[in-house]
Amino acid sequence: QLVESGGGLAQPGGSLRLSCVGSGFSFSNFWMTWVRQAPGKGLEWVANIKPDGNEKFYVDSVKDHFAISRDNAKNSLYLQMDNLRAEDTAVYYCSRGDWLDIWGQGTMVTVSS
Amino acid sequence: DVVMTQSPLSLPVTLGQPASISCRSSQTLVHSDGNTYLNWFQQRPGQSPRRLIYKVSNRDSGVPDRFSGSGSGTDFTLKISRVEAEDVGVYYCMQATHRPRTFGQGTKVEI
Repeated sequence: QLVESGGGLAQPGGSLRLSCVGSGFSFSNFWMTWVRQAPGKGLEWVANIKPDGNEKFYVDSVKDHFAISRDNAKNSLYLQMDNLRAEDTAVYYCSRGDWLDIWGQGTMVTVSS
Repeated sequence: DVVMTQSPLSLPVTLGQPASISCRSSQTLVHSDGNTYLNWFQQRPGQSPRRLIYKVSNRDSGVPDRFSGSGSGTDFTLKISRVEAEDVGVYYCMQATHRPRTFGQGTKVEI
């Protein structure tokens, strides 16, 4: 199971930190991924991170203002989102692995003044 | 980035009849390790996505056998042998061969 939290309303230029807690599997053995979905739109792959946290990959549109990280001791995945823009408004899902076999319920991020 | 193009984008279906969704990639999805990392996802209304198929043709646990995936290289297909009411939703292909990973635009299946 994956449970996201941390979404909400942020002003343009503001910051939010999303969290995702995994349970029922060996979290430290898996790549973890963030995917987002803007209102009424399709899925967009955002970032993922290797099991040991030493490799991270991003889609170009977030590379300079999002940071993915993890704490395997807490079975937790994070997404630090800085300098937020209106186009970052979306439901953010965490998913297990590089092949996305398990998904959380999502957390809504709204960027608006 | 690899562009994934699905067709059709909207698919009206009849219960009990077959349905088919095409997904084409702008580059071959054959990885240097010999595998082809093409996955299919279903998103029912108001729900999170759910993976149906991985590596082109492998059904996930619990996925009905009326769903099947096929294809190779740059051309892939998701087929539903007999559509049921619970199959309504949006279907996405996604490639995990190249970085960044990319999704198709989605195909809305409606009765």
